[in-house]
Amino acid sequence: SYVLTQPPSVSVAPGQTARITCGGKNIGSKSVHWYQQKPGQAPVVVVYDDSDRPSGIPERFSGSNSGNTATLAINRVEAGDEADYYCQVWDSTSDVVFGGGTKLTVL
Amino acid sequence: QLQLQQSGSRLVKPSQTLSLTCAVSGDSISSGGYSWSWFRQPPGKGLEWVGYMYHGGSTYYNPSLKSRVTVSVDTSKNLFSLNMTSVTAADTAVYYCARDGSRGGTYFFDYWGQGTLVTVSS
Repeated sequence: SYVLTQPPSVSVAPGQTARITCGGKNIGSKSVHWYQQKPGQAPVVVVYDDSDRPSGIPERFSGSNSGNTATLAINRVEAGDEADYYCQVWDSTSDVVFGGGTKLTVL
Repeated sequence: QLQLQQSGSRLVKPSQTLSLTCAVSGDSISSGGYSWSWFRQPPGKGLEWVGYMYHGGSTYYNPSLKSRVTVSVDTSKNLFSLNMTSVTAADTAVYYCARDGSRGGTYFFDYWGQGTLVTVSS
């Protein structure tokens, strides 16, 4: 089965850039999607297809994907960005796969 | 604006069947070639895909749950459903319904239900 690996936690000061990684074998050949989930709420897609943003998602959120690592970058981090973030791909053998999630803390 | 509204049993006894529905409003469930999915999230843990029904009627399930799970669509009521048989305490989780916004392309989920905490307990 296909495995996605995320760091359990990332901490960043307000105004700085947060980078959350998602590792997987040859993940650069797949389309990666990122979700933000705040406590008690459903996930919200913030980046899809590696680097596209749904309408309503700030430009501060961006994604990249190459080799064995995909990255979600959040520029000019705000207190309201504090949440859990999940990467997700579709794999032909495992179907829908999520990473374990990363808790973003805004210091 | 598409909305997904979940309903169903929140407390299920061990060995019984978990049943949830997801009512879709704002568009027809049978239009657009979308697939309709279920996920779950045990308390304090990450997201897990449960299964989905593709717009053509085919169903796909997480292999670890496949023998116990059924996803179905009722186009007359514009809703889709999840049934999970023989539940145990390990099935206690918040269950979410969602739409695949990619229409079976890259499988990302753009609209989600509000979530339902289902507790398996006697």
